[in-house]
Order: sequence, then C-alpha cells, then structure tokens
Amino acid sequence: SYVLTQSPSVSLAPGQTATITCGGNNIGSLSVHWYQQKPGQAPMIIVYENTDRPSTTPERFAGSNSGNTATLTISRVEPGDEADYYCQVWDSSRNHPIFGGGTKLTVL
Amino acid sequence: QVQLVQSGGGWVKPGGSLRLSCEASGFTFSDNYMTWIRQAPGKGLDWISSINTSGRDVRYADSVRGRFTISRDNTKNSLSLEMNNLRADDTAVYYCAAGLSIILYDFWGQGTLVTVSS
Repeated sequence: SYVLTQSPSVSLAPGQTATITCGGNNIGSLSVHWYQQKPGQAPMIIVYENTDRPSTTPERFAGSNSGNTATLTISRVEPGDEADYYCQVWDSSRNHPIFGGGTKLTVL
Repeated sequence: QVQLVQSGGGWVKPGGSLRLSCEASGFTFSDNYMTWIRQAPGKGLDWISSINTSGRDVRYADSVRGRFTISRDNTKNSLSLEMNNLRADDTAVYYCAAGLSIILYDFWGQGTLVTVSS
C-alpha cells in the first residue's frame, strides 16, 4: 500500500522558516492535504489540494508538491505554530486515505 | 458555527463493546461525507471508517472490518460508530470528521478516548 514518509521533528527559532516534507512515490501526481494538530486538540486542515488554504489559515503557510515530495512551508514561525503536522493523500487503489506519520514542529 | 460534538467513549474490557456518537450542527450534515479517524496514544492519525452522504456506501480499514459498524441519521444530524469485540490495540482517541469530499476532512470533532484494558 502507499506510504507517506515525514521527518519526525523540526526545531527552529521564532522568525525562521520551517520546511516540513512528505515523501511518497510520485506524490506529485496526487492531491496532498495538510493538517495541524496542537497539543490536546483535534487536527484541523490548513492546506488542501497541494496549495489551497482555508480562509482561516494564515498566508505564512504554503504548500507545494512535485516529484516524490510534498512540502509545507511556514514562514516567520511563531510560538503558536508549535504543533504536529500531518500530510494526507487519497489512496485510489485501496479507496481510503493515507496519513503521514506526522512532524512535530518545535519553536525554540 | 460548525460543531461536531462527540460522546460515548470510555473504558471497556477486551471483547467488550462501545458506541460512539457524533452530533453535527452549523452545516448541512446530509451534504457531507463522514469519517472516523483514530489516534493511539503518542501516535499518528489512522483512518478507520467512512460513510457517504446517503449512508449506503460504507468503508472500513482492515483492522476494524467485521467488528465496527458506521452509520448515520441525516434526520438527526448524527453519526455513530458501533464497536464490538474490542481489543487492546483499539485504545485511542477517536475523532469524527466531515467533508464535502470523501478525500479530505474539513471539520473535526473534539475526540473521545476509548481505553480497552483488563
């Protein structure tokens, strides 16, 4: 079955740019969605269909997808961005969603 | 505003049963696919079941097929998950989620903890 690979953690200082990657075989041909889960809270969607943002997502969050890697870029990170971030695609061969293992963003 | 309010979690012994509920408000429930996703302690997100808008098309992960049953009542804006023959590895926070498409999840419930332990 299809596998999405995420680095377990990313740490950086406020104001820096975070790059969170999601690897998968030819993932560039799929639509990738990103969810943010803050401690003790439910996930919420922050980027859908590779690059689109719900109205509630700040413009600092940007998605891209090409080749074997989808990327979530967070510009000018803030302490409030500390969370786990999950990528997700639809596995059409098995007709169900696949989630990446998640990346924990720590803002030092 | 959009709300998905969950209930029904708790502690159960292996082999036992539980029923989870998810009450929707603030959006047109009958237009949305509904999904259950769980998260084991300290782990990632794991899809377990989805149901289409009419309730006629249901899908299950291999890990729960034959033990869990998803259903919805569009007249009551409610979603349910009947869980039977529970195992220790079913221990998780269970989330209900809604989306206009089956492939992504726009709204999430607050989650409910299910603990399976003797």
